[in-house]
Amino acid sequence: GQSLEQPSEVTAVEGAIVQINCTYQTSGFYGLSWYQQHDGGAPTFLSYNALDGLEETGRFSSFLSRSDSYGYLLLQELQMKDSASYFCAARSNDYKLSFGAGTTVTVRA
Amino acid sequence: DVKVTQSSRYLVKRTGEKVFLECVQDMDHENMFWYRQDPGLGLRLIYFSYDVKMKEKGDIPEGYSVSREKKERFSLILESASTNQTSMYLCASSALATSSSYEQYFGPGTRLTVT
Repeated sequence: GQSLEQPSEVTAVEGAIVQINCTYQTSGFYGLSWYQQHDGGAPTFLSYNALDGLEETGRFSSFLSRSDSYGYLLLQELQMKDSASYFCAARSNDYKLSFGAGTTVTVRA
Repeated sequence: DVKVTQSSRYLVKRTGEKVFLECVQDMDHENMFWYRQDPGLGLRLIYFSYDVKMKEKGDIPEGYSVSREKKERFSLILESASTNQTSMYLCASSALATSSSYEQYFGPGTRLTVT
């Protein structure tokens, strides 16, 4: 089976940097994804790491270490609109995604 | 833009009723998925499909079935709804993955209440 662990909540102020860690135990691991979900909305794709290292997309970056079964999502220059839930998801070798329980990020003024 | 639509945003059904949740995608994606989302549990995969008339069980298939008669449409069926199936149901679709990218596109969800 698949198991992903991530913190349940993070609170930070506008302009700050937040790092959401994700550790996973999966079989047939292909890559780690991150999704954002605003309250009442659909999850939307943020990033996918198949290889070790850092991927940067604007204010958001994602990192993967396959040897440590670990990844993180880095949110920089936090804005109020970044208040949302963030899910890490491990892709297995048949296109399945197994999701973590989600991290609620609250951005305060 | 990829669009995944679900037949209802909110649905209220009685225990024992047969419930159909419909999902349609407009991007000719091969893969389609049904998840349920409950607080503190994230998204859990119920069933998925690689192709028309193909289906695979996910992590929590008990009490559910699916149908994929056309490539763009994937239906979730609750044969006899129970109160523990009260949840948010999310449909998703994806194209075939590459070595460096893989993205699922989600519909807006159906909040089902079984009373």
